[in-house]
Amino acid sequence: SQTIHQWPATLVQPVGSPLSLECTVEGTSNPNLYWYRQAAGRGLQLLFYSVGIGQISSEVPQNLSASRPQDRQFILSSKKLLLSDSGFYLCAWSPTGKERYSPLHFGNGTRLTVT
Amino acid sequence: AQRVTQPEKLLSVFKGAPVELKCNYSYSGSPELFWYVQYSRQRLQLLLRHISRESIKGFTADLNKGETSFHLKKPFAQEEDSAMYYCALSSYGGATNKLIFGTGTLLAVQP
Repeated sequence: SQTIHQWPATLVQPVGSPLSLECTVEGTSNPNLYWYRQAAGRGLQLLFYSVGIGQISSEVPQNLSASRPQDRQFILSSKKLLLSDSGFYLCAWSPTGKERYSPLHFGNGTRLTVT
Repeated sequence: AQRVTQPEKLLSVFKGAPVELKCNYSYSGSPELFWYVQYSRQRLQLLLRHISRESIKGFTADLNKGETSFHLKKPFAQEEDSAMYYCALSSYGGATNKLIFGTGTLLAVQP
């Protein structure tokens, strides 16, 4: 069966420090991968998605970037964190080939606090 | 613009009472809609999807294109239904499925 792993679960970082959140998927090939951010009162906002290795699409301009160095690995990064980057970050995957009707499968999330 | 609106941040009901979680959407094409649920200390997961016309855990949702709504309903609420509920719209374009989420409604079922 397919599983998705996301780490770390919680992270406290000072302003100006770098960030790296990692997400991996097991049990499937060539998944679509997504990074969402959940901010209080704002629901889930799509940040990045990827349909293949090295292919990243950004949904909103921001201080973050994403990379997909391997088929089932998705990384969210920042060179210098801002206070406004605090939030709950969710990684998700969906199978290719049935895109429109496919549900997203979410990881457990990372709670990021920038101090 | 594509948008999902959940007007209620919190909905509190008593056990056995009917539940209706409201969801309205804005989409120019033919919409595909979903309800996701997040129970305490669990990951966000799919509850049901419009295309399947299914009933999950006693919940149903009917797409009303005239009112652009996809409200989630259950005739008799249970305490274990307490959770955060998100309505989502599938924005399909190119090679992938992007879900646009509402802000969520916290359902609290009182004993």
